[in-house]
Amino acid sequence: QVQLVESGGGVVQPGRSLRLSCVASGFNFRSYGMHWVRQAPGKGLEWVAVVWYDGKNQYYGDSVKGRFTITRDNSKNTLYLQMNSLRVEDTAVYYCVRGQSSMDVWGKGTTVTVSS
Amino acid sequence: DIQMTQSPSSVSASVGDRVTITCRASQGVTSWLAWYQQKPGKAPSLLIYGSSHLKEGVPSRFSGSGYGTDFTLTISSLQPEDFATYYCQQTNDFPWTFGQGTKVELK
Repeated sequence: QVQLVESGGGVVQPGRSLRLSCVASGFNFRSYGMHWVRQAPGKGLEWVAVVWYDGKNQYYGDSVKGRFTITRDNSKNTLYLQMNSLRVEDTAVYYCVRGQSSMDVWGKGTTVTVSS
Repeated sequence: DIQMTQSPSSVSASVGDRVTITCRASQGVTSWLAWYQQKPGKAPSLLIYGSSHLKEGVPSRFSGSGYGTDFTLTISSLQPEDFATYYCQQTNDFPWTFGQGTKVELK
């Protein structure tokens, strides 16, 4: 079945880095744009970043631009989010999401906590 | 960035009620509007895309409409499993932006 499984979350100090991964299965990964969406505790959804199906284009939300990098490895069916210079306000559940014109497949999420 | 505003922020309703949620975009998004349902502790799931197209497997009591800046999600007869938070999202332009959410609660 179509599935997205995130990993790499954890507790990290402000200013440090973390890399999230998302392994896709059950569909042709290299044909889809992929996103990261996050949700801070008790808050709504925030779109973070997108990478084109071929990895050649990326867009970022204003709050993460210049600090986060989204990439993919189509040979491994894997999506990544490199998060640098982490801030307390980056604390959230991070979802890996498949999406072209809407977000039709979501992972279960991985939790990132930024705290000293 | 395009701002998405949902109303109401919460609604109390009973099983069998008709519930309508509205979503307004700060600028036109044509039909690039999606709706999602999220239950506590779970990932969101897509209900409607392209303003009015029901995702396969979503019950027909859910419907969406609208174009440009004003959109609605309607649940024709609320069922116990529909108590959740609903989000609209514009996918017309990056950054894709979400509304703040509407929580549908049991009256």
